[in-house]
Amino acid sequence: AQKVTQAQTEISVVEKEDVTLDCVYETRDTTYYLFWYKQPPSGELVFLIRRNSFDEQNEISGRYSWNFQKSTSSFNFTITASQVVDSAVYFCALSGGNTPLVFGKGTRLSVIA
Amino acid sequence: NAGVTQTPKFRVLKTGQSMTLLCAQDMNHEYMYWYRQDPGMGLRLIHYSVGEGTTAKGEVPDGYNVSRLKKQNFLLGLESAAPSQTSVYFCASSYGGTPNEAFFGQGTRLTVV
Repeated sequence: AQKVTQAQTEISVVEKEDVTLDCVYETRDTTYYLFWYKQPPSGELVFLIRRNSFDEQNEISGRYSWNFQKSTSSFNFTITASQVVDSAVYFCALSGGNTPLVFGKGTRLSVIA
Repeated sequence: NAGVTQTPKFRVLKTGQSMTLLCAQDMNHEYMYWYRQDPGMGLRLIHYSVGEGTTAKGEVPDGYNVSRLKKQNFLLGLESAAPSQTSVYFCASSYGGTPNEAFFGQGTRLTVV
């Protein structure tokens, strides 16, 4: 069975601080994909990134970066110099073996001005 | 393109009433999904479809039925609503299964009293 654990339920930071959202996953598939989605206060779900199980290179996109480590089954997400607009619920998700996305329970990030 | 559109956006039902949630996508996607989002539970898969005329059960299918008579539409039915079905329902679609990301609708907030 596939499982995604986001141990941090809520995080609160002051604007311009860096923050890391943790994601740990479980799967028996050798080929799988990991995703991050953002859910701002307006409620829609926005796709942020997808990584496959064979590519452990870290990725940086502007203030966002992702650290994928197969050895620890983790796919962590870091926001550098956080802004109020980053306040949202962030979901980590997993898909393998052509199965639908399995989501973690989400981490609510509050960035305070 | 509208993407994924859900109808209605809000609904209040009395216990025992029935209703159908409509999801329409204009991206010619093969796969479609219904998730429910509850506080502290993340998104849980109710049913999904890998193509027109097909449906499959997800993690929490009890109390729901679905139909995919046309490729662009995926209907979620509640035959006899219960307060436990109070939730926010999200429809999503994807081009295929793994590794494609899912695109989500705006959500339907359903309250069963």
